[in-house]
Amino acid sequence: DTEVTQTPKHLVMGMTNKKSLKCEQHMGHRAMYWYKQKAKKPPELMFVYSYEKLSINESVPSRFSPECPNSSLLNLHLHALQPEDSALYLCASSQDRSAGVETQYFGPGTRLLVL
Amino acid sequence: AQSVTQLGSHVSVSEGALVLLRCNYSSSVPPYLFWYVQYPNQGLQLLLKYTTGATLVKGINGFEAEFKKSETSFHLTKPSAHMSDAAEYFCAVIHDTGGFKTIFGAGTRLFVKA
Repeated sequence: DTEVTQTPKHLVMGMTNKKSLKCEQHMGHRAMYWYKQKAKKPPELMFVYSYEKLSINESVPSRFSPECPNSSLLNLHLHALQPEDSALYLCASSQDRSAGVETQYFGPGTRLLVL
Repeated sequence: AQSVTQLGSHVSVSEGALVLLRCNYSSSVPPYLFWYVQYPNQGLQLLLKYTTGATLVKGINGFEAEFKKSETSFHLTKPSAHMSDAAEYFCAVIHDTGGFKTIFGAGTRLFVKA
């Protein structure tokens, strides 16, 4: 199984809502990532978890809150978002770094619209 | 600091023609280089990667890329374009000192004409 799954596929939320994005992989990978991708732009790294610990936070606003409950799951909790946060949110995973430069496997993304 | 530049935001080729997507990198250390493809409304898929060893790297779907240190380039090629190759292509370099941070180029949209 080389698949990263993300739910939901689409999400529309108001600026006062609280919602969560979910990501799951069963490849035994120990690193998981959240990226944000605006239209016609490359993905921008938001967070990296390594062995369920937050390894990188790219100065993301606190209205985005990541969580890694276990090695297979990654959540992104959303609260009080702004319309400019509308984007495609991509999850990815890779094996632990000690094995060398690892390929990242991407999920299909959640397309988020903030009204 | 490492960076990636993709020359040409759009490339258009005829079906059956050579595909050439250009990527130049900037790195003070030996780079790890990647090409990803993104089809509409989908995530990214790895086409190929260069870490060490052979400088000509073969990937999926008939694509290959050559690492040229003297030119700081990692151009992606395919001898004969297929309609299904139409997509967005991203060149990327991994920030090894940072462990996990991949730096993507701006992307090149490939159009394939019948």
